[in-house]
Amino acid sequence: AQTVTQSQPEMSVQEAETVTLSCTYDTSESDYYLFWYKQPPSRQMILVIRQEAYKQQNATENRFSVNFQKAAKSFSLKISDSQLGDAAMYFCAYRSANGGATNKLIFGTGTLLAVQP
Amino acid sequence: EPEVTQTPSHQVTQMGQEVILRCVPISNHLYFYWYRQILGQKVEFLVSFYNNEISEKSEIFDDQFSVERPDGSNFTLKIRSTKLEDSAMYFCASRQSRDGLSYEQYFGPGTRLTVT
Repeated sequence: AQTVTQSQPEMSVQEAETVTLSCTYDTSESDYYLFWYKQPPSRQMILVIRQEAYKQQNATENRFSVNFQKAAKSFSLKISDSQLGDAAMYFCAYRSANGGATNKLIFGTGTLLAVQP
Repeated sequence: EPEVTQTPSHQVTQMGQEVILRCVPISNHLYFYWYRQILGQKVEFLVSFYNNEISEKSEIFDDQFSVERPDGSNFTLKIRSTKLEDSAMYFCASRQSRDGLSYEQYFGPGTRLTVT
């Protein structure tokens, strides 16, 4: 079974600085997707960024980028120029590409990011 | 932009009562999910639904739980006899599939269920 591990329960960053959130996963599959979701205090789950395992190029979305290391099964999220609105819980998630009609998301335990003004 | 909606936003119920949580997925989506998040814990998969039937369910999804898509738009989660440990945030999600390509599950805002 696949597992997702986030070893940093809490992180803090100064406004305008850069922070990296770590995520590792375990799978025997070769084809899958990885995601970072943001959960602000409202508890809405918001997709931040996704990465297809077959792509070597790291995904980027504006100030958000990932460092995807497939061999190491590592998928970290870098937030550049941190803003107060980035403060939230961040979840790393895995989804198999082979599950057919299910393709459930498997989440890590989350990292609570605080942004200091 | 289309979005997944959920009602109610907060439901308080007494232990042993039945509750129905409602979701309206994005209209052209084909795959539907329920997830649960106990306060302070990670989000856990409950059930997936496709083509009017359950495609996968987790160990959490026991006989007390059921899902239904009664009218082609709503997607409901029913808990027959609630327990204190069912108190959690329940998220509905939906996913589109077109030409075999689909990635994102779009989440609703969640229903906070409190069992007293």
